[in-house]
Amino acid sequence: DGGITQSPKYLFRKEGQNVTLSCEQNLNHDAMYWYRQDPGQGLRLIYYSQIVNDFQKGDIAEGYSVSREKKESFPLTVTSAQKNPTAFYLCASSWRDRNYGYTFGSGTRLTVV
Amino acid sequence: AQKVTQAQTEISVVEKEDVTLDCVYETRDTTYYLFWYKQPPSGELVFLIRRNSFDEQNEISGRYSWNFQKSTSSFNFTITASQVVDSAVYFCALSDPNSGNTPLVFGKGTRLSVIA
Repeated sequence: DGGITQSPKYLFRKEGQNVTLSCEQNLNHDAMYWYRQDPGQGLRLIYYSQIVNDFQKGDIAEGYSVSREKKESFPLTVTSAQKNPTAFYLCASSWRDRNYGYTFGSGTRLTVV
Repeated sequence: AQKVTQAQTEISVVEKEDVTLDCVYETRDTTYYLFWYKQPPSGELVFLIRRNSFDEQNEISGRYSWNFQKSTSSFNFTITASQVVDSAVYFCALSDPNSGNTPLVFGKGTRLSVIA
């Protein structure tokens, strides 16, 4: 079945360490997105990519980095510069025409101690 | 600029009650799309419905119904005879084809708790 896979589901890291969250899709979607969700908060856009080797900053890109070397993959690195990295991270994908909506992954819950 | 407002942050209802989740949007364009997503406790957002701005017919799917009113820029979602499994966070979103391929604009979500 087609879908989006985010791994791992839970991730623990020590403060000051970089960590990379994986997002893979087999839907042949062109665009991919990363969102951050804090308790009781909505979705905040971190980065998005509409085509391979191109990506744009979202509303809260500071302290994060991404790459899009393959159409299927859009990993997110949470760097040590991110002041409050503990959160729930959601990846999504869509056709270039995002008027068909998004397909979301099941999320990664990152805890930094 | 586009904007989606879900004024209800949290709603609690007793099982079998009907509940309506409000969604008000802002856009300057005449062509746009509206969405509702459900986020159960597991975390993944699940697509519920997509509606384009030219289709003002109300939609019913089982216990779910949607009321789209362009005159008030609203796209409200009603759950009839709510069940505990309806407990989730519900997001409304807007897409504007004329704004380039910018990402969907999401509301902040409404957390629905259905109590047995």
